Amino acid sequence: KAGVTQTPRYLIKTRGQQVTLSCSPISGHRSVSWYQQTPGQGLQFLFEYFSETQRNKGNFPGRFSGRQFSNSRSEMNVSTLELGDSALYLCASSLGTTGLGEKLFFGSGTQLSVL
Amino acid sequence: AQTVTQSQPEMSVQEAETVTLSCTYDTSESDYYLFWYKQPPSRQMILVIRQEAYKQQNATENRFSVNFQKAAKSFSLKISDSQLGDAAMYFCAYEGRSGGGADGLTFGKGTHLIIQP
Repeated sequence: KAGVTQTPRYLIKTRGQQVTLSCSPISGHRSVSWYQQTPGQGLQFLFEYFSETQRNKGNFPGRFSGRQFSNSRSEMNVSTLELGDSALYLCASSLGTTGLGEKLFFGSGTQLSVL
Repeated sequence: AQTVTQSQPEMSVQEAETVTLSCTYDTSESDYYLFWYKQPPSRQMILVIRQEAYKQQNATENRFSVNFQKAAKSFSLKISDSQLGDAAMYFCAYEGRSGGGADGLTFGKGTHLIIQP
């Protein structure tokens, strides 16, 4: 069974640009969550999608958005990039049926550098 | 807001020995889960163990076990017979439910575990 796949692995952008990251969950998983990991702030929850609907959202500005497609694949978009958006972005998938306490399966992340 | 505190930025243990990683959390909720995740250099987070707050019995997974003290809001991870492959960052995480849905994981800052051969 294939794991969670995130593309691309590395990305370099300049301030003011926008970026789209992609996540393909494990087959059969309907929930996809996104996390930001930085040395200063640690791991922070961005949002969760289940059956193409945003089910929960963390405390991030509106520049961070996401969506989920009918095949459960998800994308997250960051507009008007700032230097502080440089981070490892992790995607995780789960069955999504219980919502709370589920085992998350993580991808290897996309390392975004903003210059 | 819920907070998770890991007071040990780094721990070192000899191979085959036992090590305990500490975690405390703060919440006013009664329905929640606690987790330990491992992040090796590959960056891929891996679930080590999970504990439901309503269950009094401490969770165990092979060499990994937890000491869950609900009243003290403490959730430590014990790794027995440490192996070189256990070297990684270990994150304690909390997930509660406010309103109708789960809140997403709240992570601690992590503990870097070093295994000495």
